[in-house]
Amino acid sequence: ETGVTQTPRHLVMGMTNKKSLKCEQHLGHNAMYWYKQSAKKPLELMFVYNFKEQTENNSVPSRFSPECPNSSHLFLHLHTLQPEDSALYLCASRYLAGEGNEQFFGPGTRLTVL
Amino acid sequence: GENVEQHPSTLSVQEGDSAVIKCTYSDSASNYFPWYKQELGKRPQLIIDIRSNVGEKKDQRIAVTLNKTAKHFSLHITETQPEDSAVYFCAASRQAGTALIFGKGTTLSVSS
Repeated sequence: ETGVTQTPRHLVMGMTNKKSLKCEQHLGHNAMYWYKQSAKKPLELMFVYNFKEQTENNSVPSRFSPECPNSSHLFLHLHTLQPEDSALYLCASRYLAGEGNEQFFGPGTRLTVL
Repeated sequence: GENVEQHPSTLSVQEGDSAVIKCTYSDSASNYFPWYKQELGKRPQLIIDIRSNVGEKKDQRIAVTLNKTAKHFSLHITETQPEDSAVYFCAASRQAGTALIFGKGTTLSVSS
């Protein structure tokens, strides 16, 4: 599938590093999301962007910083992470129209914080 | 905000049996209820969805039922096959414009 892509697919970083995750959607969608998937909370919503504007931030620590420069791209900037932040980070997108439309996920970035 | 509860967390069935997964939601304004399947090492993918103006929807061996009064919906898989083994997530959203809120998932194992 190439509808929603994410890079990198795997990332190992130390607690003092700064890195960024990238998501790109080629579906003409106008809403994009970041989810965190871990054993403890399987699909936890982190950030919501509708029409490039952040509309939700689900009490996410400030060491995670999202950026949405346009409706096709979404970034998650990471700095001074903790080992408990190790997880699969999934990007998703959706077209906002009518009464609910399919949300597509990217393949995820497997993040390990040492 | 919306809260979605999903049960059971694990489900083991024999090939050919039926499997039922149940979810409840808290926001009475939610009107879109999709189900996603996630195979090991892969992304979640939509398998079926239902909107609030419909009580039941079927697609081959998969069906979903919705009870808006009780605020619960269920996934039914009939004649299960080993390839149905995966993690299944239910979700709910209030309307176009809000993100999907997911349940904690059900790990389905189908043994032959």
